[in-house]
Amino acid sequence: GDSVTQMEGPVTLSEEAFLTINCTYTATGYPSLFWYVQYPGEGLQLLLKATKADDKGSNKGFEATYRKETTSFHLEKGSVQVSDSAVYFCALSDPGGSQGNLIFGKGTKLSVKP
Amino acid sequence: GAGVSQTPSNKVTEKGKYVELRCDPISGHTALYWYRQSLGQGPEFLIYFQGTGAADDSGLPNDRFFAVRPEGSVSTLKIQRTERGDSAVYLCASSFYAGGGTDTQYFGPGTRLTVL
Repeated sequence: GDSVTQMEGPVTLSEEAFLTINCTYTATGYPSLFWYVQYPGEGLQLLLKATKADDKGSNKGFEATYRKETTSFHLEKGSVQVSDSAVYFCALSDPGGSQGNLIFGKGTKLSVKP
Repeated sequence: GAGVSQTPSNKVTEKGKYVELRCDPISGHTALYWYRQSLGQGPEFLIYFQGTGAADDSGLPNDRFFAVRPEGSVSTLKIQRTERGDSAVYLCASSFYAGGGTDTQYFGPGTRLTVL
């Protein structure tokens, strides 16, 4: 079945460092891809998404490009801030299905030190 | 506007008891989802409603779990004869269903269930 694999954390970076969180997927169809973020004490919220191959999602300085050839959707940010400390989840939704439920990776915890 | 709300925020119960968890979706959202998140894991799909009907309940782990959405808005997840393994955070999400799996799902803060 469909699945998402993302790099294990925790990831600890200094402020202004470059961030990459790897995400690869397995899907029978052509899924939509999402990054969700969970800040401490808060609920899951959408960070960015891409719905077809070669699309780039971006938000708050974060970017991810839908790479069909490598089945990847890696999250990147050029200069992280302390406020980016959170748990990041990669997810997919198979548009071939009727329900659109999300399949999540296990999450990557990011800690940014000043 | 108001987001997805879930009550209670925390629920502690004893093994074998019955619990109900409530979700109020964003007004106008026709699609509603329940997920379960265990410690250190990503959310796992339980059940999906389109309107009043359960369009997909393939994620429910067994027949102790049941969910309803009688008027197409508020949903209740019901767990009978709770077990310690049911302890998790139960998340609800809603979306304005447009099909094709591209919808953004908006999540509630979750209900943390602890079964003693």
